[in-house]
Amino acid sequence: EPEVTQTPSHQVTQMGQEVILRCVPISNHLYFYWYRQILGQKVEFLVSFYNNEISEKSEIFDDQFSVERPDGSNFTLKIRSTKLEDSAMYFCATLGQPGSPYGYTFGSGTRLTVV
Amino acid sequence: GESVGLHLPTLSVQEGDNSIINCAYSNSASDYFIWYKQESGKGPQFIIDIRSNMDKRQGQRVTVLLNKTVKHLSLQIAATQPGDSAVYFCAENMNNQGGKLIFGQGTELSVKP
Repeated sequence: EPEVTQTPSHQVTQMGQEVILRCVPISNHLYFYWYRQILGQKVEFLVSFYNNEISEKSEIFDDQFSVERPDGSNFTLKIRSTKLEDSAMYFCATLGQPGSPYGYTFGSGTRLTVV
Repeated sequence: GESVGLHLPTLSVQEGDNSIINCAYSNSASDYFIWYKQESGKGPQFIIDIRSNMDKRQGQRVTVLLNKTVKHLSLQIAATQPGDSAVYFCAENMNNQGGKLIFGQGTELSVKP
């Protein structure tokens, strides 16, 4: 079964530093997403990306966040200046055709720890 | 401000029993729903989905029921096994055109051998 691959699995960073989280989507998928999950809480939507542009973003996704698909394969989430409250699991998800079987496929996540 | 971790509802069942996990969704306009299983340290894993034109859908050992009148979704797991122990989330989506998923709070299922 195709997988969404995320790297790194765990990232520790100093407050104020920039981090880039990487995702390799399923190859024929068209829609890409980032979600985050603070420890013990529910999964929250950050941003969706389709046709090389942001299609929707949440209020969490402020100017410190950006996404891009620089080489047509990897999908990245950049946090420009990390804060302590950015510590969370970050999940990439992808979707092929809407309504396709298995819906949205999630990666295993990157655990970001800001110290 | 300081954030406080939420205490997840917990369901504890005996191995072999049936489990029912409930979810109240938020948006009456949502028309696509998914149940996910999340094991510790892993991403959400698809279990079963249902569209709003249905009220029941069955998979292997799992059944999802949808009650649009009261915006309620349930997941039934037959003959629960220790490997079913995980946190279960429902998620809703509007128009299923690549839009975002809105997740519920989650229920922790604990299966006693």
